[in-house]
Amino acid sequence: GENVEQHPSTLSVQEGDSAVIKCTYSDSASNYFPWYKQELGKRPQLIIDIRSNVGEKKDQRIAVTLNKTAKHFSLHITETQPEDSAVYFCADEGSARQLTFGSGTQLTVLP
Amino acid sequence: NAGVTQTPKFQVLKTGQSMTLQCAQDMNHNSMYWYRQDPGMGLRLIYYSASEGTTDKGEVPNGYNVSRLNKREFSLRLESAAPSQTSVYFCASTPRAGSWGTDTQYFGPGTRLTVL
Repeated sequence: GENVEQHPSTLSVQEGDSAVIKCTYSDSASNYFPWYKQELGKRPQLIIDIRSNVGEKKDQRIAVTLNKTAKHFSLHITETQPEDSAVYFCADEGSARQLTFGSGTQLTVLP
Repeated sequence: NAGVTQTPKFQVLKTGQSMTLQCAQDMNHNSMYWYRQDPGMGLRLIYYSASEGTTDKGEVPNGYNVSRLNKREFSLRLESAAPSQTSVYFCASTPRAGSWGTDTQYFGPGTRLTVL
């Protein structure tokens, strides 16, 4: 898409609590919204994605919700664990058929 | 299956030097991409190749050239390196031929480049 804003840039939660990361996009043609996790010094890896024809998708402790009217989507992690600590990136694919990434959220899960 | 591989892992250049970053994938993917990652700025697309024989500019192409050598390999060249090109470079690939609904992008391990 044209522009993707991601908030917050840093997030600290206690182990067992939930974490929510939000992204907004501007390209009304965007139809694919993946989330990537990047551990320190490693490559980004897809953890979950959603397409514009669904509003929510879950995979065990992680879920993504999409509100096309408001042009925002969110990542929800429940029962957080120390191994969830990483940088999370949202992205969208718009009319240019390329992924545009958010600036990332550093999630720290405190034991 | 090695997935997406990149060489080198680390490189230090002086301003004005040239170099080529290599990327290869063994997953028979059609599309390949080059990104740069800078602190606080996420991943930005430099160039991509929707299929063998085609390349297109991304968000930040200035100072770079690419070659899609064959279906497996996609190289990124810096002709005259500048300090502003200090970054971590990731190559990625997907099965799709650049059509709507991009499939999962599989990333390589990255190349950490420093330009002095």
